[in-house]
Amino acid sequence: QKEVEQDPGPLSVPEGAIVSLNCTYSNSAFQYFMWYRQYSRKGPELLMYTYSSGNKEDGRFTAQVDKSSKYISLFIRDSQPSDSATYLCAALNSGGYQKVTFGIGTKLQVIP
Amino acid sequence: DSGVTQTPKHLITATGQRVTLRCSPRSGDLSVYWYQQSLDQGLQFLIHYYNGEERAKGNILERFSAQQFPDLHSELNLSSLELGDSALYFCASSVWQGTNTGELFFGEGSRLTVL
Repeated sequence: QKEVEQDPGPLSVPEGAIVSLNCTYSNSAFQYFMWYRQYSRKGPELLMYTYSSGNKEDGRFTAQVDKSSKYISLFIRDSQPSDSATYLCAALNSGGYQKVTFGIGTKLQVIP
Repeated sequence: DSGVTQTPKHLITATGQRVTLRCSPRSGDLSVYWYQQSLDQGLQFLIHYYNGEERAKGNILERFSAQQFPDLHSELNLSSLELGDSALYFCASSVWQGTNTGELFFGEGSRLTVL
């Protein structure tokens, strides 16, 4: 079982839709949770990070973590064609060697 | 532009061969990480160097090795290549010895095809 599970999709939505991307994780030592965005033929780039449980908002993006259910979410409001990319959730453990563990990524296509 | 430079961008080679991938981290970053990305496995951590010293190993095969030089650039050596080694290889860098918020800066990757 992977430590961070993510549905690879693909997910296709019309422009303007609200997108919900989700991951689950199994390692209770994870304390930081990240979303990376990866455009085709590019490297991943950090979109948002959240510490422990709670919500964090940045423009049209909201990251949500529920540690009790080990669930990570990213919501994109008013989705745009430029949001078409692969979104990777990731988690970082606390203590010891801090390794970033990635989900497999969900490929999102926003159709104009 | 993340500031991380990887060469070559594309590489096609035959089974049994050896290749070297090169990475220059962002200016000021002391940590270099190598990741392998494939469609079925996603991003897999291979190895981490901090200021020239190996810091941690992940799922790195014995046929693979890496090093970080005094100027902080890093090389990933892949030998006795097999078809299954075909993948995207990413280098990432960060300032710290670890990464206390999970922020890594990735290069654009080297796409390796083994025929």
